[in-house]
Amino acid sequence: NAGVTQTPKFQVLKTGQSMTLQCAQDMNHEYMSWYRQDPGMGLRLIHYSVGAGITDQGEVPNGYNVSRSTTEDFPLRLLSAAPSQTSVYFCASSYSSGGAHEQYFGPGTRLTVT
Amino acid sequence: TQLLEQSPQFLSIQEGENLTVYCNSSSVFSSLQWYRQEPGEGPVLLVTVVTGGEVKKLKRLTFQFGDARKDSSLHITAAQPGDTGLYLCAGVKRKYGNKLVFGAGTILRVKS
Repeated sequence: NAGVTQTPKFQVLKTGQSMTLQCAQDMNHEYMSWYRQDPGMGLRLIHYSVGAGITDQGEVPNGYNVSRSTTEDFPLRLLSAAPSQTSVYFCASSYSSGGAHEQYFGPGTRLTVT
Repeated sequence: TQLLEQSPQFLSIQEGENLTVYCNSSSVFSSLQWYRQEPGEGPVLLVTVVTGGEVKKLKRLTFQFGDARKDSSLHITAAQPGDTGLYLCAGVKRKYGNKLVFGAGTILRVKS
């Protein structure tokens, strides 16, 4: 199993550009999430999905869109990139184990917006 | 304000020393997880604690969940350079739809 894969590994955007960060998992997990990681702030939840066709907002959803058409894929779209979106983005998948939702993370995408 | 406060933020110690990292909150969590992250990689789950007062051991790492399920600690015995990394605690609250809330992390550097 590849686990959780993310592409690209690195990306530089200009302000106003749009792009999609790809995420895929091959563990048949029902839950998938997107986090951003900024220095001194830990991981903050952007959007999450409890199954194909079902998504919801997390703590910091503004400027991002998601969709989940299949169990495996959960892309994150930046609609109009801003410097404040410079961050490292992690996709994670999980299943409900007694409510614990232990996360399996991808390797991350480092995004710089100039 | 972070729902989960981790301390210390940064720890630099010599190989062989012991250390404790704390994860505190004023809220009750249904479970708490600890992750370790190395530079350029995603976090990796170390342990999940569920029951108040629970203690789990993973080789030289000992994890404890507070009796009131508001806090947790991670104790490392005889730290090794391979323990170097960012340690993150994360709590699950049913009132937040079982979403994870992360602390800001503790950066541990173990010098040989």
